[in-house]
Amino acid sequence: QTVVTQEPSLTVSPGGTVTLTCASSTGAVTSGYYPNWFQQKPGQAPRALIYTTSNKHSWTPARFSGSLLGGKATLTLSGVQPEDEAEYYCLLNYGGAWVFGGGTKLTVL
Amino acid sequence: QVQLVQSGTEVKKPGASVKVSCKASGYTFTNYGISWVRQAPGQGLEWMGWISVYNGNTYYAQKLQGRVTVTTDTSTSTAYMELRSLGSDDTAMYYCARDYDYEIGYWGQGTLVIVSS
Repeated sequence: QTVVTQEPSLTVSPGGTVTLTCASSTGAVTSGYYPNWFQQKPGQAPRALIYTTSNKHSWTPARFSGSLLGGKATLTLSGVQPEDEAEYYCLLNYGGAWVFGGGTKLTVL
Repeated sequence: QVQLVQSGTEVKKPGASVKVSCKASGYTFTNYGISWVRQAPGQGLEWMGWISVYNGNTYYAQKLQGRVTVTTDTSTSTAYMELRSLGSDDTAMYYCARDYDYEIGYWGQGTLVIVSS
C-alpha cells in the first residue's frame, strides 16, 4: 500500500515564506510522479495550484511555486497572505493511479 | 468557461448503489479524462478512479477495485461514477475533476452521498 506523506500542520507569519513537502513511501519523488498540489478551504471544493511538479494554472497566484528537493515534491509560498490559511494536498501518480497525501493544515498567524 | 456540474445530494441505505453524474461544458469533452475523488467528513482527499473519455481506458484505486465503475456518455458530455455495496464509511463528498496529461485543474462542486439506515 503506497503512502504519500505530508506535514500534518505548519504555521507561518503573514509575509513569510513556508515550504510544504510531499514524500513517497516508494522512494524519492521524481518528475515521473507528476506532482500536483491543491488548496482546500473549509466547505469548498479543492482548488488546483500546481501540476507536473512546477507548472501553474492560469489562476495560481505568483507567490505559489512547486519543485523537487531532497527526494520530495515541494510547494513554497512566498509572501504569505492571510487568505492562504487552508489545507494543502499533494497528489502523486503511480503508473496511472493517483494517491493523495494526507494534507497539511497551514495556519497563518 | 470550463465547468463541471455534478448531480445533487443522494441518501442511500447500506448495501445499495449510487451513481453520481458530472456534466462538462466549455471544452471538448473527448479530449480530456475525468478523475473522481472523495472526501469523508473531516478527512482528507481520496482518489477513486480515472477514465479517458477518448478511448474509455480506466484506472481505479486498489481499495475500491470491483466496487466502483466510471463511465462517460459523450453524447451529453457527462461522466458517471457508480459505487456499489455502500457502507457507512462511503458517506462522503464526491468530486469529479478534469484530468489530462497529469494535469488536474477544474473540479466539480461536489455531490454529497449519505449512507444511512
